[in-house]
Amino acid sequence: SAVISQKPSRDICQRGTSLTIQCQVDSQVTMMFWYRQQPGQSLTLIATANQGSEATYESGFVIDKFPISRPNLTFSTLTVSNMSPEDSSIYLCSVEPAGAYEQYFGPGTRLTVT
Amino acid sequence: KQEVTQIPAALSVPEGENLVLNCSFTDSAIYNLQWFRQDPGKGLTSLLLIQSSQREQTSGRLNASLDKSSGRSTLYIAASQPGDSATYLCAVSGDSSYKLIFGSGTRLLVRP
Repeated sequence: SAVISQKPSRDICQRGTSLTIQCQVDSQVTMMFWYRQQPGQSLTLIATANQGSEATYESGFVIDKFPISRPNLTFSTLTVSNMSPEDSSIYLCSVEPAGAYEQYFGPGTRLTVT
Repeated sequence: KQEVTQIPAALSVPEGENLVLNCSFTDSAIYNLQWFRQDPGKGLTSLLLIQSSQREQTSGRLNASLDKSSGRSTLYIAASQPGDSATYLCAVSGDSSYKLIFGSGTRLLVRP
């Protein structure tokens, strides 16, 4: 398994600003993922962030809006840029440890954009 | 395109009842299926993982089954408790193990 922490746990931001969310894992993992959960909805994968390579974005998500960094095997950041109220969601990171075949999720960051 | 559906969307039961949550998926070519629990405003807790070659997994009062050919999985909760109240999500992954496609969840309330 893996223990994952995220910062901040929640934030209220003004329209047009940017927020960077941090994800820290207690062990080295190759594969790390960022998901979005809009109010009342299920989770949608934003991108996959593997250390040493560019993040791979899913359809409907672009790097200019959601830039991702993955500087090492235990840490990643997701930035939500030029925010609008539609970006109000819970953002979650997850990891899949090698050989585990299952994903473990962080506690999430609840973002409200006013 | 894989789609995952969960029925019912919400369920309210008295404490002590046994219950079944359903998950169906449209593409049977899955790599594995994972059941999660989400408490309000919180992240996800992994409950059970069923690999495509397996038929069921058990953990305590939880039992999950998988029928790939019919595109169905069930999560059985025995002797439900108020602490089981949460949203239960199922998710499947395709031929690569990483991309999870989630259902919309079943919101469970266990009444004391």
